[in-house]
Amino acid sequence: QVQLQESGPGLVKPSETLSLTCTVSGGSISTYYWTWIRQPPGKGLEWIGYIYSSGSTKYNPSLKSRVTISMDTSKNQFSLKLSSVTAADTAVYYCARLLAAYYHMDVWGKGTTVTVSS
Amino acid sequence: SSELTQDPAVSVALGQTVRITCQGDNLRSYYASWYQQEPGQAPVLVIYGENRRPSGIPDRFSGSSSGTTTSLTITGAQAEDEADYYCSSRDSSGNHLVFGGGTKLTVL
Repeated sequence: QVQLQESGPGLVKPSETLSLTCTVSGGSISTYYWTWIRQPPGKGLEWIGYIYSSGSTKYNPSLKSRVTISMDTSKNQFSLKLSSVTAADTAVYYCARLLAAYYHMDVWGKGTTVTVSS
Repeated sequence: SSELTQDPAVSVALGQTVRITCQGDNLRSYYASWYQQEPGQAPVLVIYGENRRPSGIPDRFSGSSSGTTTSLTITGAQAEDEADYYCSSRDSSGNHLVFGGGTKLTVL
């Protein structure tokens, strides 16, 4: 049974880079798409981007200039970097497995809260 | 990118049937998926594709679509179905994902 776990700093200063890692257990990262989603406090879900096992990526156009998603197959992990953060980037960040058949996300991590504050 | 529109809130009496809708032009081309999110929890996939349920999702959850509208129907709503529901689909480019704004379901 595939499980995902997000990890990374819970507090990031404004203008710095947010960095999170998602560790995949119970299955190989070398297949499927892997994606990041976030949810600001009291608001809805926002798709950030995804990476395929080949390394190809797609990003939300509204975040594209600040986002990088990468993967490390040797560690069975994929990562998110979001640069030049502001308070608007404060959110719960989720990683999930994305299945290409219907672009649906069948396995989610529990989420990690990131607060942007000085 | 495209937008998906959901009613912010819907209520249903215990045991009755409720339909939660999601509208968007891209839904003419792509199926939506539906996620249930309870407070403080990660979203859970409940419907995807034409009308497919992941293992463990009760059969009272079903999906349908017509034109630019996709719907999640709960037949015989239970108290534990009270949650936020989000639709998601590919945008018009087919390369990106979009979410609806979410619907808060209250079971009375």
